[in-house]
Amino acid sequence: ETGVTQTPRHLVMGMTNKKSLKCEQHLGHNAMYWYKQSAKKPLELMFVYNFKEQTENNSVPSRFSPECPNSSHLFLHLHTLQPEDSALYLCASSKRLIDYEQYFGPGTRLTVT
Amino acid sequence: DAKTTQPTSMDCAEGRAANLPCNHSTISGNEYVYWYRQIHSQGPQYIIHGLKNNETNEMASLIITEDRKSSTLILPHATLRDTAVYYCIVRVADRDDKIIFGKGTRLHILP
Repeated sequence: ETGVTQTPRHLVMGMTNKKSLKCEQHLGHNAMYWYKQSAKKPLELMFVYNFKEQTENNSVPSRFSPECPNSSHLFLHLHTLQPEDSALYLCASSKRLIDYEQYFGPGTRLTVT
Repeated sequence: DAKTTQPTSMDCAEGRAANLPCNHSTISGNEYVYWYRQIHSQGPQYIIHGLKNNETNEMASLIITEDRKSSTLILPHATLRDTAVYYCIVRVADRDDKIIFGKGTRLHILP
C-alpha cells in the first residue's frame, strides 16, 4: 500500500466520451504528478502540481485537462481522446518538488475505442 | 532524454545477488543517482538514491564508482517478487529538475 489511490483502475471510453481519472493521497504531500506510460515507451511526465498550483505542463494536448482542488486530490479530465491515448496513467505524489522519493499509485489502464 | 544507459534485460537465480549496472557518463557534480522499480501492473516504487557515497537500505545497496560515471544496484538475496523493470535515473535535487524515466532493465528472477 503506497498511500496513493487511483480510480478507476480500468476505463474503456469512446472517442466522443468525457471521463475523469481521480487520484488521492493522504500522505501529507504537497506535490502531485500525472504520468503516462504507453506500451513499449518510457514513463512520460504530463503535469506537475505544487501546493495546488500547476508548475509543469509537458506539452500535453488540451484534450487532457488536469485539476487539483486541494493538495490531496488530483483529477485528469479526458475528452475527445484518440486511440493512441490508450495507456496506463499514473499518479504520484511527493512531500516536496525536490524530494527524491515519489510515491506512485497503481495507475488507471485506459483504452480508447 | 534519459541520461542513463542500462541493459535491456537480465536474469538472476533466486537467492543469489542481483547486480544491475547503470552508466551515467555525463553526470554532473550535483546530480544524484536514483533507482526505482516497477513490478508488473503496479506503479513505480522508489528503491534508493545516492550522490557519491555507497548507500544501503532495507531493500538494496547502491555502489557508485569513484568517478561517478557508473553505478550498480545490488539486491542481496533476490526473490521471485523482485522480478520487475528497474530504472536508473540521474537528477538534480532541485524543484525544476524532473524525474525522467528511461527504458530500464527488465530483471527476471529464475526459480
